[in-house]
Amino acid sequence: LAKTTQPISMDSYEGQEVNITCSHNNIATNDYITWYQQFPSQGPRFIIQGYKTKVTNEVASLFIPADRKSSTLSLPRVSLSDTAVYYCLVGDSSNYQLIWGAGTKLIIKP
Amino acid sequence: NAGVTQTPKFRVLKTGQSMTLLCAQDMNHEYMYWYRQDPGMGLRLIHYSVGEGTTAKGEVPDGYNVSRLKKQNFLLGLESAAPSQTSVYFCASNDPGGRLSYEQYFGPGTRLTVT
Repeated sequence: LAKTTQPISMDSYEGQEVNITCSHNNIATNDYITWYQQFPSQGPRFIIQGYKTKVTNEVASLFIPADRKSSTLSLPRVSLSDTAVYYCLVGDSSNYQLIWGAGTKLIIKP
Repeated sequence: NAGVTQTPKFRVLKTGQSMTLLCAQDMNHEYMYWYRQDPGMGLRLIHYSVGEGTTAKGEVPDGYNVSRLKKQNFLLGLESAAPSQTSVYFCASNDPGGRLSYEQYFGPGTRLTVT
């Protein structure tokens, strides 16, 4: 069965680049790897997804190595408003269930 | 577009009572999902649907039932509520596309307390 592992929490400072890595094994071959952001008392919000190598959008970059056993979400020049919980989401290769990471609580300090 | 809406926003039940949570989406999405999120935890999939009239079990389906009679609505039922079902329930929807995409759109959540 697929399993994901993320750091429980991270701290950083405004203006810094933050990298959050999710380890995942036994993921579905043809599925995207997806990352979400969640603020307190709100539903998760899609940030970015990718299949392999590097994907970049207006808010983040996602790095995925060739073996797809991990992915790294990169947030450039973070601000206080980036304080949130970040989740990775993958598909299980054996039963196609959705597997969410436990989340990484990111705290940005001034 | 309202996106994904959930009714009600809050509910308190006594053990053994039943209730239905309603999720509605106006994006014409094929797939819909029900998740629960316990305090300080990640999301766990309860049930999902890949189209009108279809439903399937997720990771934690016991104690819940679902129905998708109309494409835009996905109902989650608790037949006999238990304190262990105290949680925040999120509904989501999407259209995965050819390569399976997990870009889902979430509702605001329903906070359920079972006493």
